Amino acid sequence: AQSVTQLGSHVSVSEGALVLLRCNYSSSVPPYLFWYVQYPNQGLQLLLKYTSAATLVKGINGFEAEFKKSETSFHLTKPSAHMSDAAEYFCAVSVGAGTASKLTFGTGTRLQVTL
Amino acid sequence: DAGVTQSPTHLIKTRGQQVTLRCSPKSGHDTVSWYQQALGQGPQFIFQYYEEEERQRGNFPDRFSGHQFPNYSSELNVNALLLGDSALYLCASSGPLTSGTTDTQYFGPGTRLTVL
Repeated sequence: AQSVTQLGSHVSVSEGALVLLRCNYSSSVPPYLFWYVQYPNQGLQLLLKYTSAATLVKGINGFEAEFKKSETSFHLTKPSAHMSDAAEYFCAVSVGAGTASKLTFGTGTRLQVTL
Repeated sequence: DAGVTQSPTHLIKTRGQQVTLRCSPKSGHDTVSWYQQALGQGPQFIFQYYEEEERQRGNFPDRFSGHQFPNYSSELNVNALLLGDSALYLCASSGPLTSGTTDTQYFGPGTRLTVL
């Protein structure tokens, strides 16, 4: 069975600082990996995904993530935080495409951006 | 292009009652998955529907059931509600094999269920 661990339930950065949100996965087969963002009282919005193509994945709003098989990691980064980035971020794993691709989520990291 | 829609937005029920939540998938999508997100937690997979059949199920009791209609929309039913069923219920849809988007699930805004 696959699983995801997000290190740090809360991360606080200053506006303009680097954002680094950590995600480690466990999967017995090559995984598909996703980052979603959730703003208060809203659903999940896809930020980016890794599906076995390029290991460095660029997403929306300036975010990117790098798949590192040797470290079983898929950390999310953004060079310069903006106040609008404050939200809950979820890393998720699935074990393949198609109709059986259920997502297994981490517990989330709440990003706070301060002035 | 309409995204995933869910209704109602909020719902308040009492213990023992039954509830039905509804979801319309993104245009062109044929697979619907349901997730439960308790406060402060990540979403947990309930089940997935494709071709009007339950294809995969998470670790949820039989009180949770669903249905998919010929137009691909879906319902989630929960019987004998418990206080612990209070959560945000999220619907996600994904596309058919021909679209090349089967690997990505797109989420709706959710239905907030409160059980008193």
